Amino acid sequence: EIVMTQSPATLSVSPGERATLSCRASQSVSSNLAWYQQKPGQAPRLLMYGASTRATGIPARFSGSGSGTDFTLTISSLQSEDFAVYYCQQYNNWPRTFGQGTKVEIK
Amino acid sequence: EVQLLESGGGLVQPGGSLRLSCVASGFAFSNYALSWVRQAPGKGLDWVSAITISGTTTYYADSVKGRFTISRDNSQNTLYLQMNSLRAEDTAIYYCAKPGPYFDSWGQGTLVTVSS
Repeated sequence: EIVMTQSPATLSVSPGERATLSCRASQSVSSNLAWYQQKPGQAPRLLMYGASTRATGIPARFSGSGSGTDFTLTISSLQSEDFAVYYCQQYNNWPRTFGQGTKVEIK
Repeated sequence: EVQLLESGGGLVQPGGSLRLSCVASGFAFSNYALSWVRQAPGKGLDWVSAITISGTTTYYADSVKGRFTISRDNSQNTLYLQMNSLRAEDTAIYYCAKPGPYFDSWGQGTLVTVSS
């Protein structure tokens, strides 16, 4: 099973600042990596797939990068609606596995 | 608009069984593989199971293998998860998700509570 490790667990950021979230896979997943955003009481929402392709309707302030084992999600200028928990997920191998999440909170 | 509507959750005793359903609309159900993903209270996302388009191939997390069975009825646009020998650690919100193969659509989930 591929283990996905996200860091940091919690990120405190002021509105308007940049946030950088990391995700590391225990073995290569090529570019078969997705990012999700989840707000309290809601289902997750797909942000990014193929490591760097934004899903439909996702603002350009979200960007993704990386391949192989190391990936990054960057939010260029945090808006109030971006404070949430973010998960990475690999879909290169079975079983599909998620990272444990990074909570982005208001500083 | 893609819609996934889960049902069948509830309170069940350890060792008991439940059958979850997910009714889909807004897309060609029979053209997509589907998955179940769960989330324990206050915890992260945990992939549970997946089924291919025809239903002939299924995948399971080790934690549920041998206890859970995924199936689908393409004529009814419905996905199922039969859960047997339930344990306290199976307590979670269970989401139906449409993979592409990443999960581009999610239902709102159904809560399963395993407790005596």
